[in-house]
Amino acid sequence: AQSVSQHNHHVILSEAASLELGCNYSYGGTVNLFWYVQYPGQHLQLLLKYFSGDPLVKGIKGFEAEFIKSKFSFNLRKPSVQWSDTAEYFCAVSQYVEYGNKLVFGAGTILRVKS
Amino acid sequence: EAQVTQNPRYLITVTGKKLTVTCSQNMNHEYMSWYRQDPGLGLRQIYYSMNVEVTDKGDVPEGYKVSRKEKRNFPLILESPSPNQTSLYFCASSPVGEREGSNEQFFGPGTRLTVL
Repeated sequence: AQSVSQHNHHVILSEAASLELGCNYSYGGTVNLFWYVQYPGQHLQLLLKYFSGDPLVKGIKGFEAEFIKSKFSFNLRKPSVQWSDTAEYFCAVSQYVEYGNKLVFGAGTILRVKS
Repeated sequence: EAQVTQNPRYLITVTGKKLTVTCSQNMNHEYMSWYRQDPGLGLRQIYYSMNVEVTDKGDVPEGYKVSRKEKRNFPLILESPSPNQTSLYFCASSPVGEREGSNEQFFGPGTRLTVL
């Protein structure tokens, strides 16, 4: 079965610091990869997704992620974080089931940005 | 506005008292799913449905039931809730695309359930 691991459960950064959140998955076949963000008290929103093509994917709010197939990784990056980026971030991998897809989520990384 | 709605948003109940959490989407999506979110565990899938009258177990189905009588609705039923079902529950929906696993899921606002 597919599994997703996120390297850090809690990250604390100062504003303007650079961010990189690690994500590794276990499945060796064709994958679709997602990063979701959950702001305090809100539901999950899609940050970015990778299906195929350019392995460097740009998402909303200045986030990007790089798919490295050889490393089974899909790390999330942002050059300069803001206080408003404080949230929980989830990496997810789409696993094919009989008639469609299911998402397998990592445990999440809580990011706190200090102003 | 395209959205997934859940009700109630907050619920406190007692062990053994049957409850239903409703989920509805207005995007005509075929696929719907229920997840529970627990600290340090991320989101785990409870049940999913590929279309009307087609449902299947996810990773943590024990203690839950679902039904899909209409395309837009996918209620989650706890026949006899227990304290270990205290959690944050999310419903999600997506279209079923041409490419396997290629579709973004849209999430509801969540239901925080406490079972005493």
